[in-house]
Amino acid sequence: GENVEQHPSTLSVQEGDSAVIKCTYSDSASNYFPWYKQELGKRPQLIIDIRSNVGEKKDQRIAVTLNKTAKHFSLHITETQPEDSAVYFCAASMAAGNKLTFGGGTRVLVKP
Amino acid sequence: EAEVAQSPRYKITEKSQAVAFWCDPISGHATLYWYRQILGQGPELLVQFQDESVVDDSQLPKDRFSAERLKGVDSTLKIQPAELGDSAMYLCASSGKTGLLKETQYFGPGTRLLVL
Repeated sequence: GENVEQHPSTLSVQEGDSAVIKCTYSDSASNYFPWYKQELGKRPQLIIDIRSNVGEKKDQRIAVTLNKTAKHFSLHITETQPEDSAVYFCAASMAAGNKLTFGGGTRVLVKP
Repeated sequence: EAEVAQSPRYKITEKSQAVAFWCDPISGHATLYWYRQILGQGPELLVQFQDESVVDDSQLPKDRFSAERLKGVDSTLKIQPAELGDSAMYLCASSGKTGLLKETQYFGPGTRLLVL
């Protein structure tokens, strides 16, 4: 089955700096890669997703890149703000609506 | 904005007792998922329904866990008997379709279970 590795497990950045989280996956059949943000005690919330026919996608301060050949994808957050502090999860599946396999999560702390 | 609903939000029980969790997906979403999230880890799928049918329960410990979605809308996840290792957050998610394109999964607030 699919296996998703996520790094780093914790990330501390200064407000205004960029944050980058990297994930690798094992199943070349995976075609859909969402990112979820989970604040303490709250539900995971989708922040951005990318499908395999696209190499990069941006939404304001958030961007995701995908390298299907190398089987890795990354989340980039620019101009970080204290409210970006949370745990971020990457995931992979064959298609949106299919079973998601999650990475272990990255705890991001943005220091004012 | 429509959201997935879950209840209870918190549940404390003693080992060997039975517990049940309820989920109401976003209206119109045919696919419903139950995930278990152990503290400090990512969610892991327990069971996936398409309407009232189970499409994936390969990771569901069937000796003690059961799930149903009788009318293809809301769903119940049951654990009997509960064990200490079942302490976790139980997340429900749902997804729909836009035309032929499946949509991503939206999560409920979860039920945090503590087994003593």
